Amino acid sequence: AQRVTQPEKLLSVFKGAPVELKCNYSYSGSPELFWYVQYSRQRLQLLLRHISRESIKGFTADLNKGETSFHLKKPFAQEEDSAMYYCALSSDNYGQNFVFGPGTRLSVLP
Amino acid sequence: ETGVTQSPTHLIKTRGQQVTLRCSSQSGHNTVSWYQQALGQGPQFIFQYYREEENGRGNFPPRFSGLQFPNYSSELNVNALELDDSALYLCASSWTGGSTDTQYFGPGTRLTVL
Repeated sequence: AQRVTQPEKLLSVFKGAPVELKCNYSYSGSPELFWYVQYSRQRLQLLLRHISRESIKGFTADLNKGETSFHLKKPFAQEEDSAMYYCALSSDNYGQNFVFGPGTRLSVLP
Repeated sequence: ETGVTQSPTHLIKTRGQQVTLRCSSQSGHNTVSWYQQALGQGPQFIFQYYREEENGRGNFPPRFSGLQFPNYSSELNVNALELDDSALYLCASSWTGGSTDTQYFGPGTRLTVL
């Protein structure tokens, strides 16, 4: 069965510091990986997906199949990045079985 | 373009009752997925509806059931409510066109079971 783990419940960094939110997964096939973000008082929204290989709001994430990881990184954190971040995995092409991790709350301090 | 809407916003029920939650998908979307998010946890996939049929189900008992209507809106029904059913229920709509597609989430319905 597929599973997503995010080891940090809370991550605090200072503005301008690099940030890395960790995500590991277990799945025997070829998963599709996502990062979702929820800002305060807003709904859950897609931040990025690994197949797009794009940078959104300065964030990037690389799928490492050897380490089964999909860590989210940003070189210089901004206060507006403070939010709840969820890593998610889809095990099929139609998004029928989406598995979310427990989430990491990122707090960027001034 | 209209976003995903859910009703009601909040709901309080007692154990053993039944509840129906509603979701209107984003215009142009044909697929709706439902999630349960307990406090402090990530969303858990309940099931997905595509073209009015269940198209995948997570590890939830049969007392969780759903419907999708011709306009692609959807309902989540939960029978014989238990205290552990207290959670935020999210729906997400997407367009299924041959590949995994972006899900757009609604604001959620907060269900409290007493």
